[in-house]
Amino acid sequence: EPEVTQTPSHQVTQMGQEVILRCVPISNHLYFYWYRQILGQKVEFLVSFYNNEISEKSEIFDDQFSVERPDGSNFTLKIRSTKLEDSAMYFCASSEPRATDTQYFGPGTRLTVL
Amino acid sequence: AQSVTQPDIHITVSEGASLELRCNYSYGATPYLFWYVQSPGQGLQLLLKYFSGDTLVQGIKGFEAEFKRSQSSFNLRKPSVHWSDAAEYFCAVGERGSYIPTFGRGTSLIVHP
Repeated sequence: EPEVTQTPSHQVTQMGQEVILRCVPISNHLYFYWYRQILGQKVEFLVSFYNNEISEKSEIFDDQFSVERPDGSNFTLKIRSTKLEDSAMYFCASSEPRATDTQYFGPGTRLTVL
Repeated sequence: AQSVTQPDIHITVSEGASLELRCNYSYGATPYLFWYVQSPGQGLQLLLKYFSGDTLVQGIKGFEAEFKRSQSSFNLRKPSVHWSDAAEYFCAVGERGSYIPTFGRGTSLIVHP
């Protein structure tokens, strides 16, 4: 069964550094998403992406965040200058051509900011 | 804005027993409702969803959920739990026009042999 993959599984970085989290969505999917889950808290929506542009974003997704689909397979989340409070599990998801379709989630990247 | 409450942080059941996980939502209109499961080291997997129609929804792995508008609830049930059902369960609500879910805090299910 096709699945969403994410790399790395765990990223440790120093505060102020830039990180790029990578995701490979399911190949025929057209909608892409990033969520995060701070330890012990809810899963929170960050951003959705369709047709090479952001379609929705939450208040969390401020100027330090950006997303990109640099080629036909990868979908990346960049955090420009990491803060301690960015430490969380970041999940990528993708869905089929209609936004109503089921979102398939990757296993997540655990980001630790020191 | 919509919100979701999962009142139980942990639930412990014996294998073979029935299960009900509670979910209450707050939203002004009829919402989209979801249940996801997260096994250790895995991503979130959709168990079932309600958009409209029959208020009793069947999902994967033998789960079902019932939308009760009068109680603003969408409880998840399973008649007989298996040890492999031990996981974190998340209820989520989405508003009409957007399919981006707002998640609850999750309920951790522990299954005793």
